[in-house]
Amino acid sequence: GAVVSQHPSRVICKSGTSVKIECRSLDFQATTMFWYRQFPKKSLMLMATSNEGSKATYEQGVEKDKFLINHASLTLSTLTVTSAHPEDSSFYICSASRTSGMSRLSYEQYFGPGTRLTVT
Amino acid sequence: RKEVEQDPGPFNVPEGATVAFNCTYSNSASQSFFWYRQDCRKEPKLLMSVYSSGNEDGRFTAQLNRASQYISLLIRDSKLSDSATYLCVVNSSYNNNDMRFGAGTRLTVKP
Repeated sequence: GAVVSQHPSRVICKSGTSVKIECRSLDFQATTMFWYRQFPKKSLMLMATSNEGSKATYEQGVEKDKFLINHASLTLSTLTVTSAHPEDSSFYICSASRTSGMSRLSYEQYFGPGTRLTVT
Repeated sequence: RKEVEQDPGPFNVPEGATVAFNCTYSNSASQSFFWYRQDCRKEPKLLMSVYSSGNEDGRFTAQLNRASQYISLLIRDSKLSDSATYLCVVNSSYNNNDMRFGAGTRLTVKP
């Protein structure tokens, strides 16, 4: 299957600082990547859709100025949590979509291993 | 109403048992359906896509009922290694790249 990496896997930061998380598709080009957040024992919540070369599309309730997304190339998207607070502590997971030819019914998402953020 | 709903479980079954999970979705225009598996503190991994005609992959069988807007996953001959959270995933009709996740059903297979 396709490989998606994330870095760092775990980060602890102080309240008020910013943290950047990288998501890379290692063996395929991903025009679209997704950023999710997952709290303990809860479902993945889509935060934003990242499109290469254009602005990200944020889900309702997600502050775009707080969660900065950059998709500079077909293999790299970054999420920066600015001025982090303890309530931002969560498991952040990116995914990249890989389609099968022209079929619009073959969307599958491949997930990175996630980044566990702890804000103290 | 949530877009994708699942029974959170937990389902505790003995090895060798057959277990079934259901998932309902609210958007009748949804096109793509998947089951993902997520182990504790790990990322979700694709288990199988769900096709209109139903499909089987070894001990796993997935079914789709568009009329009632639900999908199911059947696991036969459960193994200890099947213990995980199973996520139902449905795409949004507005964007075929936009998947919506259920909260997951927790399965524990015991010896």
